[in-house]
Amino acid sequence: DQQVKQNSPSLSVQEGRISILNCDYTNSMFDYFLWYKKYPAEGPTFLISISSIKDKNEDGRFTVFLNKSAKHLSLHIVPSQPGDSAVYFCAAEDNQTGANNLFFGTGTRLTVIP
Amino acid sequence: DSGVTQTPKHLITATGQRVTLRCSPRSGDLSVYWYQQSLDQGLQFLIQYYNGEERAKGNILERFSAQQFPDLHSELNLSSLELGDSALYFCASSSRTGGGSPLHFGNGTRLTVT
Repeated sequence: DQQVKQNSPSLSVQEGRISILNCDYTNSMFDYFLWYKKYPAEGPTFLISISSIKDKNEDGRFTVFLNKSAKHLSLHIVPSQPGDSAVYFCAAEDNQTGANNLFFGTGTRLTVIP
Repeated sequence: DSGVTQTPKHLITATGQRVTLRCSPRSGDLSVYWYQQSLDQGLQFLIQYYNGEERAKGNILERFSAQQFPDLHSELNLSSLELGDSALYFCASSSRTGGGSPLHFGNGTRLTVT
C-alpha cells in the first residue's frame, strides 16, 4: 500500500524555466514532508522540508507547497538549472511511533535541458 | 559527502546464501535506518535503531535482521537469499528522531542475487 505517490516518473524542462514536481499522500497523520534529490550512484540527499502546519516553505530556488485538504504537495524549482537533473523523491514522516519513519514515493526523474 | 559509509558497494551472491551489509553513521548520529530500493520502486523502510536499541520496524522480512553495535555502526544481515532480494540497500543516519529532521544517506550497497 503506497502511502506516498509520485505519479509522474519523469519530467523534462528547459533551463531557466520552472520545474514543478508533484506528490500525493493518503495518510492525514503525516507530520512532515521532505524532498530528497538523488544522483546516480549516490544516496538521496535532503533538499527541503515542510511541517504539516504550514502551507509553504522556501529555500533559495526551491519552494515546497502543501495542500492538506487535497493531500498534495509540490516542489517548485525556479529557475531550473542543468545541475538540477536528478531523481526527486517525496517523503512523508509518521511520528506516531516516536520514530521518524519516512515513507517515500517512487521518484520523478527531472531532466533540465540546456 | 553525507558522512555515512556503507560497505561493500556491490555484492553478488547466489540464492540461499547469507550476506552482511555494513553501515557507519555520521559522527555523532545515534539513529541508523535501513531502506531497500528495488527496481523502479521507492525506498522501503526496513528498520531503525537508536543508540543500540531497535526503535521501529517496517516491512522487514523475517529472513532479514539488523543490529547496532556500541560504536554505533550497524549491520544488516540477509539470509536464505532469493532472486527478489536483489536491490539497493541504503543506510541512513540522523542526530535526532522526528520533527522533520533529515536523514543522511550513504551511497548504498547494490545486492545482486543470481
